[in-house]
Amino acid sequence: DAKTTQPTSMDCAEGRAANLPCNHSTISGNEYVYWYRQIHSQGPQYIIHGLKNNETNEMASLIITEDRKSSTLILPHATLRDTAVYYCIVRSQTGANNLFFGTGTRLTVIP
Amino acid sequence: NAGVTQTPKFRVLKTGQSMTLLCAQDMNHEYMYWYRQDPGMGLRLIHYSVGEGTTAKGEVPDGYNVSRLKKQNFLLGLESAAPSQTSVYFCASSYGRTSGYNEQFFGPGTRLTVL
Repeated sequence: DAKTTQPTSMDCAEGRAANLPCNHSTISGNEYVYWYRQIHSQGPQYIIHGLKNNETNEMASLIITEDRKSSTLILPHATLRDTAVYYCIVRSQTGANNLFFGTGTRLTVIP
Repeated sequence: NAGVTQTPKFRVLKTGQSMTLLCAQDMNHEYMYWYRQDPGMGLRLIHYSVGEGTTAKGEVPDGYNVSRLKKQNFLLGLESAAPSQTSVYFCASSYGRTSGYNEQFFGPGTRLTVL
């Protein structure tokens, strides 16, 4: 599975959009981009995933560049409850489905 | 649905003691996983199972054993605990790979301290 690179930490003002970048320059054609988040001391929570098209759900939007070498997770109106560590994970749909977590981005939403 | 549950929530062991962590899921998932998370780090896969009666090693399997005797349960055993196994342990489950996407559902974690 491809390796990802994320900033260590980011701040965002409450009510503003939070844009979390992820680089995955070695991604291969059959690999998806997944985003999970982990709120303090809890188990990780799935947010969204995509292959090459932009995706949106009730939690967030995922923007994947045309060359698929990077992506951005967008939380449109960040709240204090969105303070968490966000993990960008790239993996294929085959295999045992295990996820390789890096250290993620610690997002702090500021009142 | 309770989702994924883990027992116990907290445990303190002495070096050399043994224990079993229990993970249960009520979503009829085929795949189950055990991860550990050390302070300031991401999760690392210990063992996983792709179905009842099957198990496989993950990234950091040494010092652990697992069993999947029932589809809904996945047990993680420490035969002789060591201080290096002090960590938070997360269990997860997911549908099989033919389902279309691979969302994993995580339990609340077990915080283990080995003295």
